[in-house]
Amino acid sequence: QQQVKQSPQSLIVQKGGISIINCAYENTAFDYFPWYQQFPGKGPALLIAIRPDVSEKKEGRFTISFNKSAKQFSLHIMDSQPGDSATYFCAAESYSGAGSYQLTFGKGTKLSVIP
Amino acid sequence: DSGVTQTPKHLITATGQRVTLRCSPRSGDLSVYWYQQSLDQGLQFLIHYYNGEERAKGNILERFSAQQFPDLHSELNLSSLELGDSALYFCASSPSTGAEGYTFGSGTRLTVV
Repeated sequence: QQQVKQSPQSLIVQKGGISIINCAYENTAFDYFPWYQQFPGKGPALLIAIRPDVSEKKEGRFTISFNKSAKQFSLHIMDSQPGDSATYFCAAESYSGAGSYQLTFGKGTKLSVIP
Repeated sequence: DSGVTQTPKHLITATGQRVTLRCSPRSGDLSVYWYQQSLDQGLQFLIHYYNGEERAKGNILERFSAQQFPDLHSELNLSSLELGDSALYFCASSPSTGAEGYTFGSGTRLTVV
């Protein structure tokens, strides 16, 4: 119930192409879905996030598509650049009691953008 | 620089030992969360403190404990260390108790030999 399943595990995309990473969840209590980008030796950094009352959110080259009925959400990176090469994590927030909310993370997708 | 400071960056210790990881949250943030990142398990939530009070526990072993001090910095104590405890340990801070505004530190890489 608390899992977030992320695919693919790794992805190689040509420069200028579209990178697509998918996540699926079971717990309908999840109500906030962020994506994080992590470079080697660094902590995850928030990239973009969405709440389930909208189906799409776009920020620059990054778009989240959200399908509430299918319990799936995805990250699209348009015009992928070598600088986008990193590990991407989807996550979902749920209430864990005592006024606390926690994130459940997918296992990550290692994206390599080749020139 | 995210504003969340974790020390030390690297730690190598022997099995059975005890270590303390430190996290200073961003200025103004009241919440500190600890996560463990390993290759096979990904990022796993350990524990959450808000303004000095423990608010939630995740997959934290009994050998591990944490606290948040009056100045809001937090420490994660790991004892009776085992090889399997080798991982990256991240803390994140946020202004409130929700995930919006989460900012992660750069992590402490713990190697148990």
